[in-house]
Amino acid sequence: EAEVAQSPRYKITEKSQAVAFWCDPISGHATLYWYRQILGQGPELLVQFQDESVVDDSQLPKDRFSAERLKGVDSTLKIQPAELGDSAMYLCASSLVLIPNTGELFFGEGSRLTVL
Amino acid sequence: DAKTTQPNSMESNEEEPVHLPCNHSTISGTDYIHWYRQLPSQGPEYVIHGLTSNVNNRMASLAIAEDRKSSTLILHRATLRDAAVYYCILSRDDKIIFGKGTRLHILP
Repeated sequence: EAEVAQSPRYKITEKSQAVAFWCDPISGHATLYWYRQILGQGPELLVQFQDESVVDDSQLPKDRFSAERLKGVDSTLKIQPAELGDSAMYLCASSLVLIPNTGELFFGEGSRLTVL
Repeated sequence: DAKTTQPNSMESNEEEPVHLPCNHSTISGTDYIHWYRQLPSQGPEYVIHGLTSNVNNRMASLAIAEDRKSSTLILHRATLRDAAVYYCILSRDDKIIFGKGTRLHILP
């Protein structure tokens, strides 16, 4: 069964360092999402791509976070510099269609970040 | 964002049906109702979605009130593997926005 691949699975870093997360969506899925999930809370949408274009990044803290999907396939989420409050699970999801009204999101297992 | 209200937690006995409620009084005519669940240490997993009519699939059933201001996710026979956080979501403006969900505990 096709899956959304994410790496690394776990990342420990010191504050002020740079970190990057990678996501490979299910083949053929044009829409890709990055979510952040703080322990005990629901996932928070950070950025949404349609192919290589950003559809929505209104909740992305752009002073330190960046996201790209250069060829419209895999994607990278970067944090620089990392802060203590960035400790969270970073989840990637993909869907076949842009509008989730008729489709479903497929999530990866996530990348857990701990900032010391 | 379209808002939903769910109980923080619920308990159910194994092998019994579970009814998970969700209120969404501000739902608009084009909002779909989605349910996802998240097992411990995993990403969320799609369960079911619907617009107006009740829906059934291999995982669960979704019962939607006639006025669409509430819905209920029904697990017909709970197992220990169904212990998870269940999220009720209204999709609006091409987004899936999660709330806090209901943590479901299954008692053996």
